Amino acid sequence: TQLLEQSPQFLSIQEGENLTVYCNSSSVFSSLQWYRQEPGEGPVLLVTVVTGGEVKKLKRLTFQFGDARKDSSLHITAAQPGDTGLYLCAGGDGGANNLFFGTGTRLTVIP
Amino acid sequence: EPEVTQTPSHQVTQMGQEVILRCVPISNHLYFYWYRQILGQKVEFLVSFYNNEISEKSEIFDDQFSVERPDGSNFTLKIRSTKLEDSAMYFCASTVATHEQYFGPGTRLTVT
Repeated sequence: TQLLEQSPQFLSIQEGENLTVYCNSSSVFSSLQWYRQEPGEGPVLLVTVVTGGEVKKLKRLTFQFGDARKDSSLHITAAQPGDTGLYLCAGGDGGANNLFFGTGTRLTVIP
Repeated sequence: EPEVTQTPSHQVTQMGQEVILRCVPISNHLYFYWYRQILGQKVEFLVSFYNNEISEKSEIFDDQFSVERPDGSNFTLKIRSTKLEDSAMYFCASTVATHEQYFGPGTRLTVT
């Protein structure tokens, strides 16, 4: 089982601040997905990165896949209260691309 | 926008009973998955399914579990004899080409 560690586990910031969430592993993944999950609901896909070094932007969110495809980061610019939630990274192992999920970062943005 | 649906949203069952969790994947998707999430823990892979057969399964997916695609739209997970430790949220996911998996809202299974 591939392990994905996310840091920080909890993050509380003021509205308007920037933040970065990290997802690290010793394993190489064929792809890396970022999801957001609300309590009692299923993970909602934010982005998929597949190439080492790839950077994708989704409005105020910037996602990067490490060159060695072992780690990823999520950067949020000018955080808003609506960004509050649980952010999960998940690595795909090729083949059927079964996903191995990280431990999650719970973000709270204070108005 | 197409989405994965799951029924029931909540299932309560007694230990030792059989349960079937149902999923309707997105219609043109080819790969199907089940994951589970025990309360407060991370999402864990159970099984992947492609071309009417299991592609891979995790250690969690033992002989008590089975999956089936009985028709062109449904994808089911059966637990033959439930245990207390099977209590969890069960998520179905599907994808066209393996990278972008879309998850359903989940079924909360409570075993008493």
